Amino acid sequence: TQLLEQSPQFLSIQEGENLTVYCNSSSVFSSLQWYRQEPGEGPVLLVTVVTGGEVKKLKRLTFQFGDARKDSSLHITAAQPGDTGLYLCAENNAGNMLTFGGGTRLMVKP
Amino acid sequence: KAGVTQTPRYLIKTRGQQVTLSCSPISGHRSVSWYQQTPGQGLQFLFEYFSETQRNKGNFPGRFSGRQFSNSRSEMNVSTLELGDSALYLCASSPLRFMRQNTGELFFGEGSRLTVL
Repeated sequence: TQLLEQSPQFLSIQEGENLTVYCNSSSVFSSLQWYRQEPGEGPVLLVTVVTGGEVKKLKRLTFQFGDARKDSSLHITAAQPGDTGLYLCAENNAGNMLTFGGGTRLMVKP
Repeated sequence: KAGVTQTPRYLIKTRGQQVTLSCSPISGHRSVSWYQQTPGQGLQFLFEYFSETQRNKGNFPGRFSGRQFSNSRSEMNVSTLELGDSALYLCASSPLRFMRQNTGELFFGEGSRLTVL
């Protein structure tokens, strides 16, 4: 099982700013998922990326999978307070066994 | 469609006691997995059940156990509780499981927050 490193650990920004969070590994990902967890709730899947170089967009969120499939990034444009939460990257290994990164805790201030 | 339901939502126990947590998956989902979330270690996989059989187990001591019933509902048990077991325990369900890497979605419950005093 590989280790997933996320950066930064914490991010506090003003509404309207852009931000990027990163997920890296020393090994190749078979696929990568991004989840968001809001306080008092469980993680919710945002996207799955599979192909190296893949870019997926979800409204103001842009997800990128590195060409070598060893890194991924999540970019949020014009952040809003509703984007506040814990962003987690995860690899879904065989049998629904997720390996999570440490997470990026984002706070967007009005 | 009802989501994943976990009970109880909050509980407080003392060291040495044991606890049982319950998870009802989304109707039709046969795979149930459990995760422990702590500030220090983050989210860690505990185990996964499919068709009433434990299919995968994470790196946790034998004090952590679980089971799945014929209706796919699952329980996990922690015996001889330690202070370090204080955590949010999350259950996730999925309709399928694959022997190889899976790009499918896991649906998480809101968790059971356990405090051990």
